[in-house]
Amino acid sequence: NAGVMQNPRHLVRRRGQEARLRCSPMKGHSHVYWYRQLPEEGLKFMVYLQKENIIDESGMPKERFSAEFPKEGPSILRIQQVVRGDSAAYFCASSPRTIQGNQPQHFGDGTRLSIL
Amino acid sequence: GENVGLHLPTLSVQEGDNSIINCAYSNSASDYFIWYKQESGKGPQFIIDIRSNMDKRQGQRVTVLLNKTVKHLSLQIAATQPGDSAVYFCAERLGSNAGGTSYGKLTFGQGTILTVHP
Repeated sequence: NAGVMQNPRHLVRRRGQEARLRCSPMKGHSHVYWYRQLPEEGLKFMVYLQKENIIDESGMPKERFSAEFPKEGPSILRIQQVVRGDSAAYFCASSPRTIQGNQPQHFGDGTRLSIL
Repeated sequence: GENVGLHLPTLSVQEGDNSIINCAYSNSASDYFIWYKQESGKGPQFIIDIRSNMDKRQGQRVTVLLNKTVKHLSLQIAATQPGDSAVYFCAERLGSNAGGTSYGKLTFGQGTILTVHP
């Protein structure tokens, strides 16, 4: 499967724990985006990264949330001290290097985070 | 407690009919639009896209129409099949001149549930 890979597919955490969500973009894609989806809603943008750089984090809460896309390895979305309101599906998308062109973002199948 | 969640628009059609799903987008500075299909438990799947300098684009069984005057986008599916049943989302992207560092991120619409009856 050469698509966007996310793991884990399901993650259960207790309040106050940390959640780490991983995303490996499609081969050849150097742009990664994270989105959050609540039930019966559209996806909401969180953060846009290129290798080792955060380009736009305007949709990500300032506290408890962080994201990285290191030179080697997957992109990580990290949520510290999780609360019940963090329960959602988190999707990662990637697109090719040439962002100035009209290249659609391709999505993974998401991580469903449940907070007990 | 009372359920105050959102209720998505729904469209029910018979197999073989044509389907039209509509979307009103929010920003006149958007220059690129995408339709995605999302099945239960899966991520959005790309269907078709269109640039703002076009008003129509056709794919296999699908057509996207763009009306910039009223900021309206539609997806037409010909000969709808049960496998087309899913939630359909439109998404817009700000143009590079207007978006700044926001260029690249997608803003999604609410979504429409399409149900195709055999």
